[in-house]
Amino acid sequence: GENVEQHPSTLSVQEGDSAVIKCTYSDSASNYFPWYKQELGKRPQLIIDIRSNVGEKKDQRIAVTLNKTAKHFSLHITETQPEDSAVYFCAASKPAGTALIFGKGTTLSVSS
Amino acid sequence: EAGVAQSPRYKIIEKRQSVAFWCNPISGHATLYWYQQILGQGPKLLIQFQNNGVVDDSQLPKDRFSAERLKGVDSTLKIQPAKLEDSAVYLCASSFQGRYGYTFGSGTRLTVV
Repeated sequence: GENVEQHPSTLSVQEGDSAVIKCTYSDSASNYFPWYKQELGKRPQLIIDIRSNVGEKKDQRIAVTLNKTAKHFSLHITETQPEDSAVYFCAASKPAGTALIFGKGTTLSVSS
Repeated sequence: EAGVAQSPRYKIIEKRQSVAFWCNPISGHATLYWYQQILGQGPKLLIQFQNNGVVDDSQLPKDRFSAERLKGVDSTLKIQPAKLEDSAVYLCASSFQGRYGYTFGSGTRLTVV
């Protein structure tokens, strides 16, 4: 089955710096790659997603890139702010209607 | 739009006791998922329903865990008997049939002592 590896497990940056989180997946049939943000004690919230027919997607300060050949995708956060501090999870799934498989998460700390 | 509702919010039980969690998905969402999230880890799929049928329960520890979605709407996840390693947050999520992305509920935090 699908396996999603995520790194780093922790990431500390200064406010205003950029942060990059990387994930790799094993199943070449996977074609949907969302990123979730989870604040302490709260539910995971979808922040951005990308499908395999697109190489990059951007939404204000966050962007996701996908390399299908290498089977990896990355989350980029620019101009980080303290409120970006949270745990970020990448995930992968095959065609719509199949379950998401999650990475182990990255704890991002943004200090002011 | 109302979100995915879960109850209880917190539960503390002793090992070997039984416990049940309830989930009511967003109206119209035919697909429902239960995930287990152990502290410091990503959510792990336990079971996926499509209406009232099971799509994937390959990672459900069937000797102690059971789940049902009898009328294709709300769902119940049960653990009997509970073990210490079952301490986790149990997340329910739902989506429209055949659609990408889903919405999570707030979860039930289970502590087994």
